[in-house]
Amino acid sequence: DSGVTQTPKHLITATGQRVTLRCSPRSGDLSVYWYQQSLDQGLQFLIQYYNGEERAKGNILERFSAQQFPDLHSELNLSSLELGDSALYFCASSVGDSLGGEQYFGPGTRLTVT
Amino acid sequence: SQQGEEDPQALSIQEGENATMNCSYKTSINNLQWYRQNSGRGLVHLILIRSNEREKHSGRLRVTLDTSKKSSSLLITASRAADTASYFCATDAYYGNNRLAFGKGNQVVVIP
Repeated sequence: DSGVTQTPKHLITATGQRVTLRCSPRSGDLSVYWYQQSLDQGLQFLIQYYNGEERAKGNILERFSAQQFPDLHSELNLSSLELGDSALYFCASSVGDSLGGEQYFGPGTRLTVT
Repeated sequence: SQQGEEDPQALSIQEGENATMNCSYKTSINNLQWYRQNSGRGLVHLILIRSNEREKHSGRLRVTLDTSKKSSSLLITASRAADTASYFCATDAYYGNNRLAFGKGNQVVVIP
């Protein structure tokens, strides 16, 4: 158990809908990272927050947004969903903001868009 | 293209044998990490090797790093059925806006 929790574990929704994925980092970790994993694209970094502020952006679509709250939990919002958004979404956390440090991954949320 | 590209292989070995997988990258790095992922689950950090290190051990794991060739290898000795997983390397090279770039992974199956 990494100490990172994600909810829900599974999500099935229809195209055009909007969903929110939630992540709680390990106790004491200030950074939260979001990743998308699909068979064709592999593991893609989406976005990072550090202590409530956006720190780095990766391959995140404009239809996606995220935020980190004062209690350090984070939410990833996916809107106008398309079939191609079906994937595993992982949250990871780390203590600091150092580039390339060890990250602790949650169990993921499997999103299926029908 | 993506940093941290493993050799695209699916490895099937007998329990007790050694498993080796490779990773190459394109730009300078500060460190390289290896992660393991069991089917459909979160990634688990295995080992981190810094750019000034050539070899590192952790239990049955041995990682080498050759910065001149921009490559790394992960060796799992005396494999066990529980080692069946996908293994990813990840580099911290700044590529676009990515903070940590993962390769596509090597699938290893250890047959009991």
